[in-house]
Amino acid sequence: GAVVSQHPSWVICKSGTSVKIECRSLDFQATTMFWYRQFPKQSLMLMATSNEGSKATYEQGVEKDKFLINHASLTLSTLTVTSAHPEDSSFYICSAGGASGEQYFGPGTRLTVT
Amino acid sequence: GNSVTQMEGPVTLSEEAFLTINCTYTATGYPSLFWYVQYPGEGLQLLLKATKADDKGSNKGFEATYRKETTSFHLEKGSVQVSDSAVYFCALSDPGWGFKTIFGAGTRLFVKA
Repeated sequence: GAVVSQHPSWVICKSGTSVKIECRSLDFQATTMFWYRQFPKQSLMLMATSNEGSKATYEQGVEKDKFLINHASLTLSTLTVTSAHPEDSSFYICSAGGASGEQYFGPGTRLTVT
Repeated sequence: GNSVTQMEGPVTLSEEAFLTINCTYTATGYPSLFWYVQYPGEGLQLLLKATKADDKGSNKGFEATYRKETTSFHLEKGSVQVSDSAVYFCALSDPGWGFKTIFGAGTRLFVKA
């Protein structure tokens, strides 16, 4: 299957600072990428759909000004958590969409805000 | 709207036991169905998929058949191993929704030696 990487895998930041997470599809071009949050022992919550060259589509309840998504190329999407607070601490996962609707997931980024 | 319901866990089995994890869905269109697996400390991996009714997805000894008449996509394996211990997510993806994926809550499987 396709390979998706995320960087960093783990980050700690202070409250009020911003953090950028990168998601790369390594061996294919991804027109669409998705960003999720996963809370401990829970399922994935879709945050937004990121389309290359256009604005991201956010799910209801997700603050677009807080979670900035940029999909500048067919292999890179970034999520920036702005003015992070402890409640933003979570596991953030990106995925790249395949031709049949399957998704290829990155390994995730654990964000801890102190 | 679209939704996915899967059996609650955790499921605890002995090695070589038969596994079934139930999954049912509701969808307005013609979705593709998936099972993803998340091993401890790792991201999700696609386990198998089926894109139309009566398709059977299979991988690593796991199987699931897309049953439109019962709106189900149950996951089965004839003989589980300790290494199968993980969380399993049933999911659907609807082309009419831009291939957004809806996930079930996940079922945690523990396999004892």
